[in-house]
Amino acid sequence: SQQGEEDPQALSIQEGENATMNCSYKTSINNLQWYRQNSGRGLVHLILIRSNEREKHSGRLRVTLDTSKKSSSLLITASRAADTASYFCATDARGNKLVFGAGTILRVKS
Amino acid sequence: EAGVAQSPRYKIIEKRQSVAFWCNPISGHATLYWYQQILGQGPKLLIQFQNNGVVDDSQLPKDRFSAERLKGVDSTLKIQPAKLEDSAVYLCASSLGGAKNIQYFGAGTRLSVL
Repeated sequence: SQQGEEDPQALSIQEGENATMNCSYKTSINNLQWYRQNSGRGLVHLILIRSNEREKHSGRLRVTLDTSKKSSSLLITASRAADTASYFCATDARGNKLVFGAGTILRVKS
Repeated sequence: EAGVAQSPRYKIIEKRQSVAFWCNPISGHATLYWYQQILGQGPKLLIQFQNNGVVDDSQLPKDRFSAERLKGVDSTLKIQPAKLEDSAVYLCASSLGGAKNIQYFGAGTRLSVL
């Protein structure tokens, strides 16, 4: 079963705009990770946030985590056409096992 | 650093046939995972190895799927006999393990069962 659920399922924006994706999960976690998947490729790790952290930045990425609401958001600022991909949240609830959500498909139009 | 290697990239078979996928993880990564990703869904864990031992195979359909990790390095995933619903991308990932558990994925094998 998939623990994480992303929202929205699909998002289409113009280049230069910001993109926000949300993830909700059901059980307590050790950490939450975001991955990107380009069409026909494997997943690439983007960022990890621990359960005791509330916000984390990496370049144009900003991730927040609210453990009381069991939710996380991924913000991509100043989006580029190359950001077009599917984005998945994955929860690590017990050692070394990730449970992935269904993903958000992001399309950035140039 | 070489990434996770998978082969073949594509495979088309008829139902009831058998198929095998191969994965070579990143050197030194003790943990290896096989995922099934159906179109439009996120990856679903099939089996997790720690070195050459199975840690979790609770979602592996054992009546038709099998996997092994030879000498704690390469791994093969086999389906016999295949069903139409097995059409999916099969992803292999590896990690160093530990508290962060960041996983590195191969490009996957796209299986079509006709």
